[in-house]
Amino acid sequence: DTGVSQNPRHKITKRGQNVTFRCDPISEHNRLYWYRQTLGQGPEFLTYFQNEAQLEKSRLLSDRFSAERPKGSFSTLEIQRTEQGDSAMYLCASSLLAGSYNEQFFGPGTRLTVL
Amino acid sequence: DQQVKQNSPSLSVQEGRISILNCDYTNSMFDYFLWYKKYPAEGPTFLISISSIKDKNEDGRFTVFLNKSAKHLSLHIVPSQPGDSAVYFCAAPEAGSYQLTFGKGTKLSVIP
Repeated sequence: DTGVSQNPRHKITKRGQNVTFRCDPISEHNRLYWYRQTLGQGPEFLTYFQNEAQLEKSRLLSDRFSAERPKGSFSTLEIQRTEQGDSAMYLCASSLLAGSYNEQFFGPGTRLTVL
Repeated sequence: DQQVKQNSPSLSVQEGRISILNCDYTNSMFDYFLWYKKYPAEGPTFLISISSIKDKNEDGRFTVFLNKSAKHLSLHIVPSQPGDSAVYFCAAPEAGSYQLTFGKGTKLSVIP
């Protein structure tokens, strides 16, 4: 399978705990994006990497959220001191640097539940 | 403020008939639009796109129409099939950015 993969698929945690999600993009894709989707809403942009550089961050990305993409390959999204409002589906997407304008390929997502 | 609006949360259509999903936008700087389809427990899948220099783009059973003056686009699916049952999202990239702004989605149910 050469699509975008995300792990874990589901995460249940208690309020106040830290969680980390991983995204493996399509291998030749230079751009990597994180989105968050809550019930009844479309995906909301969180942050974007071009290779290893984090180029954009949404104001939705509070100080408790941090994302990395070491060596421009996989990416991790960490949420510190989780809150119940962080419960959502976290989606990762990737795209080619010179591909179709903004055709982003999404992974299956990580569903986070904060108790 | 929602820059991309999908005002119909759901739509039911008989198999073989046309499905029309609508999307309105408020940001006149948007110059490219995408439609994504999402099945339960999967990530969104790219379906079709349109640049603002066109008013129509067709790919098999899927056609997207863009009316820039009305800031409105629509996705037509003809003929509709049960496998088309999914949530459809309209999206547009922010000007000068690669982040996509999505609508809330429309759940399409195609009834056999």
